[in-house]
Amino acid sequence: DADVTQTPRNRITKTGKRIMLECSQTKGHDRMYWYRQDPGLGLQLIYYSFDVKDINKGEISDGYSVSRQAQAKFSLSLESAIPNQTALYFCATSDALEGNEQFFGPGTRLTVL
Amino acid sequence: DQQVKQNSPSLSVQEGRISILNCDYTNSMFDYFLWYKKYPAEGPTFLISISSIKDKNEDGRFTVFLNKSAKHLSLHIVPSQPGDSAVYFCAASFSGSARQLTFGSGTQLTVLP
Repeated sequence: DADVTQTPRNRITKTGKRIMLECSQTKGHDRMYWYRQDPGLGLQLIYYSFDVKDINKGEISDGYSVSRQAQAKFSLSLESAIPNQTALYFCATSDALEGNEQFFGPGTRLTVL
Repeated sequence: DQQVKQNSPSLSVQEGRISILNCDYTNSMFDYFLWYKKYPAEGPTFLISISSIKDKNEDGRFTVFLNKSAKHLSLHIVPSQPGDSAVYFCAASFSGSARQLTFGSGTQLTVLP
């Protein structure tokens, strides 16, 4: 079984709809991250959380919100989706004691029409 | 302004030859560098890393070189295999950034049989 899972894997929605992307991990890591990837660009950090009570904005947080429901779960919401939020979204985890390496989920491909 | 740059979007190499992927950075505070590999429909997976106190780190067929004065790092794959065909991302972090990763835009490596 995968250590970091994301649901759904693919989603097509319409402008103005509310969307939630979910991430779960079984690695026991305390840190979790949400990134988006656009064609020709690297991964950009949206939000990150170092524990259940800690939420931080990344470089491109506008239009997104997150919830850390438990150590193992971190969800990303688009309150009112717009077409330029069409992208590939990745969740990642890391352990504060293990340094810089982050472990990524398989990604969610989101299309906003 | 991109702090981590991968100026070659693509690279083709013959099987058995050396692949050299390059990465440049602008932020002199970066002190830890990582390479990730990404196959289609999968999340990035960690490949190899290097701390700024070193100038070389080797793991099997993969070697990363760091030139701090030039703010440049490279990933060497020897010998290249068809299974190495993937997108390679360079990433950097520093302790003052809570170890957030800043990614380059990626290089698509194609190893020709």
